[in-house]
Parts: sequence; structure tokens; C-alpha cells
Amino acid sequence: NAGVTQTPKFRILKIGQSMTLQCTQDMNHNYMYWYRQDPGMGLKLIYYSVGAGITDKGEVPNGYNVSRSTTEDFPLRLELAAPSQTSVYFCASSYPPDSVNSPLHFGNGTRLTVT
Amino acid sequence: DAKTTQPPSMDCAEGRAANLPCNHSTISGNEYVYWYRQIHSQGPQYIIHGLKNNETNEMASLIITEDRKSSTLILPHATLRDTAVYYCIVRVEDTGTASKLTFGTGTRLQVTL
Repeated sequence: NAGVTQTPKFRILKIGQSMTLQCTQDMNHNYMYWYRQDPGMGLKLIYYSVGAGITDKGEVPNGYNVSRSTTEDFPLRLELAAPSQTSVYFCASSYPPDSVNSPLHFGNGTRLTVT
Repeated sequence: DAKTTQPPSMDCAEGRAANLPCNHSTISGNEYVYWYRQIHSQGPQYIIHGLKNNETNEMASLIITEDRKSSTLILPHATLRDTAVYYCIVRVEDTGTASKLTFGTGTRLQVTL
């Protein structure tokens, strides 16, 4: 049981480039989330999904896109990278919040630098 | 979701109990208190959660005041490996809100020899 797996671990992008951050979970969780964490700050929610085919915006969605074609995968797309997107990105998953046991399980993050 | 207030940092001697406070004075009746920790920029790790009653698991104890306006996370015998940033979060257990956790800046716990 691998939990939540994120790839790549590190990436450097030039301004204007695009990339996809991959996230997969093997716990059969319906809910998945993308957060970003800037240095010395807490986590901010970018996008989330309550199930395959359903996504919704979080607190800071601008500059990002997501898709959820399967229960397991929730990729995050950056179309035109900007220096403001330099951050550590965390993917998480959980059971529905009304479940008895519904804490979020996080991956170990992708460190992205845009120069 | 209700906001929380935590001290920015705390120290604790190894082997002693670490008591991390959290204020959530605007908490609603259906909001749970969750605690996570983040060790050295790894992904946050779930510790414990509760609604009204005190809770205990293999990692920690959670004490919630009777009026639910504050809580304390207790690590009974802190070790160096417990050095981390600890986040206190309140959230509604409701499928309509999709469990959107709001993380503040937490408490940086430093465990020392």
C-alpha cells in the first residue's frame, strides 16, 4: 500500500513552460486535493475533486488546471509557468468527510522552481 | 470553517510531555478539531481529531474544553523525531464542503536534549 505518490519530486521550469504534476493514490479514496505551500507559510488549496469526473476550485486556482478521469489519478497542470508558482505542491486524498475515518493522506510533495 | 490561533513556536525537552494549545473560539457545533504535523517539509501527517470528547491514540491525546473554544494536543513523551510544525484545523464533516482544510502557519515544536 503506497498511499499517495507524487512525481516528480523536483522540477525547474523556465517562465512560460508548461508541465503536469502527477498524483496517484491506491487507497480507493473518492476525494483528492492539490495544495501549494510557499516558504514559511501554511498550505493553500488549489483544486479538489469529490470523485472521478468532478473537480472544483479551491482558494488559489488561477494558473492551474486539473482533471479526474479515474479514482486513482488527479494530475495538476501548469500551462504558462510564472515565478509566482514557485512552491512546494502537495497532493492529498481522503474518504468522504462524513466517514468515521476521513483524515487527509498527503504525498511527499513536488518542489517546483520557475525561473 | 472557523479560524484557529496557535503560538508560533514552542520548545520541549526530550522525554517530557509536549502540550500544544489551539484557540478556536468561533467553532461551530458541527465542526471537528483536527491536528496534523509536518516534519521537515514532508507532506503533512494526520495525528488525531475530535468533536467534543477527549481522544487518545497511539500518537497523542486531544483535550477539548467543555465550551469547545480551545483544545490541547498532548505528546506524552516527546522525542527528537517529534520536532515538526503542528497544525490545528477545524472543519465541518459534511460532504457538501468537500473537507477543504484551511492550514494556518501552525506551531513549530522544537524538541531538545
